[in-house]
Amino acid sequence: EVQLVESGGGLVQPGGSLRLSCAASGFTFSSYWMHWVRQAPGKGLVWVSRINSDGSSTTYADSVKGRFTISRDNAKNTLYLQMDSLRAEDTAVYYCASSPNRGGLDYWGQGNLVTVFS
Amino acid sequence: QSALTQPRSVSGSPGQSVTISCTGTSSDVGGYNYVSWYQQHPGKVPKLIIYDVSKRPSGVPDRFSGSKSGNTASLTISGLQAEDEADYYCCSYAGSYTWVFGGGTKLTVL
Repeated sequence: EVQLVESGGGLVQPGGSLRLSCAASGFTFSSYWMHWVRQAPGKGLVWVSRINSDGSSTTYADSVKGRFTISRDNAKNTLYLQMDSLRAEDTAVYYCASSPNRGGLDYWGQGNLVTVFS
Repeated sequence: QSALTQPRSVSGSPGQSVTISCTGTSSDVGGYNYVSWYQQHPGKVPKLIIYDVSKRPSGVPDRFSGSKSGNTASLTISGLQAEDEADYYCCSYAGSYTWVFGGGTKLTVL
């Protein structure tokens, strides 16, 4: 059974940092691209970032470029999102998701709430 | 990276068909055959129901179908059932290894 288990969310003040983790099991993690998608309370889904299967290529939404860093450790089957210089508008549930290519995001984590408050 | 345009809400009676549109540009929806659709029930995780414009993952009923014409993709749900009431999001590859979601559509089964 495919599982993506997220951890690391919580409360942080503006300007602070947080690192999310996403532990994968049940599939060949090292063969998949991975993404982070967020959803602000009561709002829609927003794509945040993507990393290719070996970690050599990363891309970001303009809203987080320069502040967030996606990475992965294929030996540990784990995806990360380092979030720096956090803003109130970054408050959201963050989902990790897998994709075999440029198509659909086929498996999703349970979501992890990040709240940036002053 | 502007969000794709979806209607805020659609509705239909059990047994009927509904179609949700998703309008983008030639840089995303119109430029690639990488449109996907997600179903999200309240408080739940999004679920992939259509990928590559019209393909269904295993386990997704064939009542769900997808298509694309120009810069607009569409999700059609036929034989509406009460359990189909949910939010639906489209997503498109937008080039340079970026993706963009639509704003979401709330489906109400009357």
